[in-house]
Amino acid sequence: EAGVAQSPRYKIIEKRQSVAFWCNPISGHATLYWYQQILGQGPKLLIQFQNNGVVDDSQLPKDRFSAERLKGVDSTLKIQPAKLEDSAVYLCASSPAGTVTGELFFGEGSRLTVL
Amino acid sequence: AQSVTQPDIHITVSEGASLELRCNYSYGATPYLFWYVQSPGQGLQLLLKYFSGDTLVQGIKGFEAEFKRSQSSFNLRKPSVHWSDAAEYFCAVVPSGGSYIPTFGRGTSLIVHP
Repeated sequence: EAGVAQSPRYKIIEKRQSVAFWCNPISGHATLYWYQQILGQGPKLLIQFQNNGVVDDSQLPKDRFSAERLKGVDSTLKIQPAKLEDSAVYLCASSPAGTVTGELFFGEGSRLTVL
Repeated sequence: AQSVTQPDIHITVSEGASLELRCNYSYGATPYLFWYVQSPGQGLQLLLKYFSGDTLVQGIKGFEAEFKRSQSSFNLRKPSVHWSDAAEYFCAVVPSGGSYIPTFGRGTSLIVHP
């Protein structure tokens, strides 16, 4: 079974530039999460999708961050314009819908460095 | 306020020694509890989880965790650490009865000396 795929693995940009990250969850997983992991901290939820609908985006900085999951499968997270404090690893995770299974399946993450 | 706390930023143990990583939570009702491990450059992998029932749960890679309601704790243990266990360990909680949004602790970095 293929895992959660993310790209690019690494990205270096200058502040005020834009960047986009892509995530393809495990086939059949209806729930998709984007987490931000700043060095030395635990992952912080940015947004959760159930199919193509947003369940929670309360911690997404909407003035610069946007995310979509148009067909309920893969997802894109965009940052525009980037700030220095956006330097982090962006983790995508997925899980099956329905009952609480307890397990999120994570991709390897996309490491962003903003100079 | 609801929170999950991992009080130890770093833990250093010798290979073969026992290990205990601490996790405390502050929620109105007992949440669902998880431990994840993150090796360098990798995503997080689930070690074990607690929903209800037996308070001692077994996980992968020889890890176990004990839920103690009186202490609001869910500490992770391993009787004999291997060098390959060096990684970042995260405790996570999901409030029971609400929307399924896991909240992670800050993590504990495990260093294993030969």
